[in-house]
Amino acid sequence: GAVVSQHPSWVICKSGTSVKIECRSLDFQATTMFWYRQFPKQSLMLMATSNEGSKATYEQGVEKDKFLINHASLTLSTLTVTSAHPEDSSFYICSARVGALNSPLHFGNGTRLTVT
Amino acid sequence: AQSVTQLDSHVSVSEGTPVLLRCNYSSSYSPSLFWYVQHPNKGLQLLLKYTSAATLVKGINGFEAEFKKSETSFHLTKPSAHMSDAAEYFCVVRDTGFQKLVFGTGTRLLVSP
Repeated sequence: GAVVSQHPSWVICKSGTSVKIECRSLDFQATTMFWYRQFPKQSLMLMATSNEGSKATYEQGVEKDKFLINHASLTLSTLTVTSAHPEDSSFYICSARVGALNSPLHFGNGTRLTVT
Repeated sequence: AQSVTQLDSHVSVSEGTPVLLRCNYSSSYSPSLFWYVQHPNKGLQLLLKYTSAATLVKGINGFEAEFKKSETSFHLTKPSAHMSDAAEYFCVVRDTGFQKLVFGTGTRLLVSP
C-alpha cells in the first residue's frame, strides 16, 4: 500500500534555531501534501496544504514565515520551523493523497518536536 | 461548514466485549466519512471510509461502521475488542472541496484484560 515516510520521528532543538521536517511519498507521486499539528491529547489541526511546484496554502492563523513549506518534487515536501520557540513544541504529521481527489489520505508517522 | 462530533472522549471496554465509538457529522452535502486510528506517537492509519456506496462499511482489523443519513451518524463498531485495539480513534469528514479533512476531537479506547 501507499507509504508516507516522515523524518525525523523526533527532534529536540534549542530556542531560536530552525528545524526541517521531511515528508516523502515512497511508492507514489503526491502532487498535494498536507501538514497537520497535534497538541497533546487533542485532535489534528490542518496547518497548510502543500502543492508541488507552487506556494503552499496556509490555514488562517498559521504564520507562513514561521512555518516554511517547500514541495519541490512529487515525492517530497518539507516543513521548516524557523526560529523555534518552546510553544512550537508539538507533534507534526504530514499526509498525502493517493490518486483521485476523493481518495483517502495516507499519513506519515509524525515528528515530535521539542524546543528547549 | 462541515463538522464532526465524537460523543465520547474515552471509552473503556474489556477484552472480548463489543466496541462502539460514536460519531455524528454535520454536512450540507453528501459527505465522505472516515475513521482513522492513532497509536501513541504514531501517525494515523485509515480504518475505513464511506464515499456514498454501501452504507455498511467494513474496514481493517474487524472494524465496521454504518452510515445513517437520517441520524447523521457514522458509528464505529467491533464485535470483540482486542488489547491491541487500545488507541485514539478519529472520525473525519471531508469537505466539499475534496481537499481538507475535518477531524473530530478523538475518542481514546481503553481495553482491559
